[in-house]
Amino acid sequence: QSALTQPRSVSGSPGQSVTISCTGTSSDVGNYKYVSWYQQHPGKAPKVMIHDVSKRPSGVPDRFSGSKSGNTASLTISGLQAEDEADYYCCSYAGTYNFVVFGGGTKVTVL
Amino acid sequence: QVQLQESGPGLVKPSETLSLTCTVSGGSISNYYWSWIRQPPGKGLEWIGYIYDSGRTSYNPSLKSRVTISVDTSKNQFSLKLSSVTAADTAVYYCARDGLFPDGNFDYWGQGTLVTVSS
Repeated sequence: QSALTQPRSVSGSPGQSVTISCTGTSSDVGNYKYVSWYQQHPGKAPKVMIHDVSKRPSGVPDRFSGSKSGNTASLTISGLQAEDEADYYCCSYAGTYNFVVFGGGTKVTVL
Repeated sequence: QVQLQESGPGLVKPSETLSLTCTVSGGSISNYYWSWIRQPPGKGLEWIGYIYDSGRTSYNPSLKSRVTISVDTSKNQFSLKLSSVTAADTAVYYCARDGLFPDGNFDYWGQGTLVTVSS
């Protein structure tokens, strides 16, 4: 069982928006501003899409955005494109003892 | 451009020790946190542990009794040892760079290496 809870799958048509939730606790997501999101295509290594809750690394399209409210973080993909079809994982800092915890992953399907 | 490359045996027998090395190129291993992360086939990501260039380490509590991560700054490498492996340790093992602070922002990853535990 993963420490952070994500929906197993979400889907949308090209051009639509989808939002993936990531629910943790007051010991991780709720207590720190260090939530990151990773995109993983089949057979590939994960790629960071969002870090520090809402910051986009250089080169990541601005249709990817992140936010947080309480113990739940969210990743929104606006203007969904075919290449966005992948697995997405959230990750939160959980303090010096647990360090980081991941969500179970969400499969995004572009219809 | 920083690049990471995992190396080590792809097959390990049950009860033995899994050993992997991550070689960092295109940048120095110094002043950063470096992690091992694994992914069982068809499943999600699990953080194993990190090391800083000074040798300071932190491990996932669920694996702590079996994990050792070490660093060789002269070779720009860091390594993972996982003892007493079982089939449940079969996974793709990734090495990744965290950053100047270990906050889970893994900006560079190796391609991953599949390690199968089987007799």
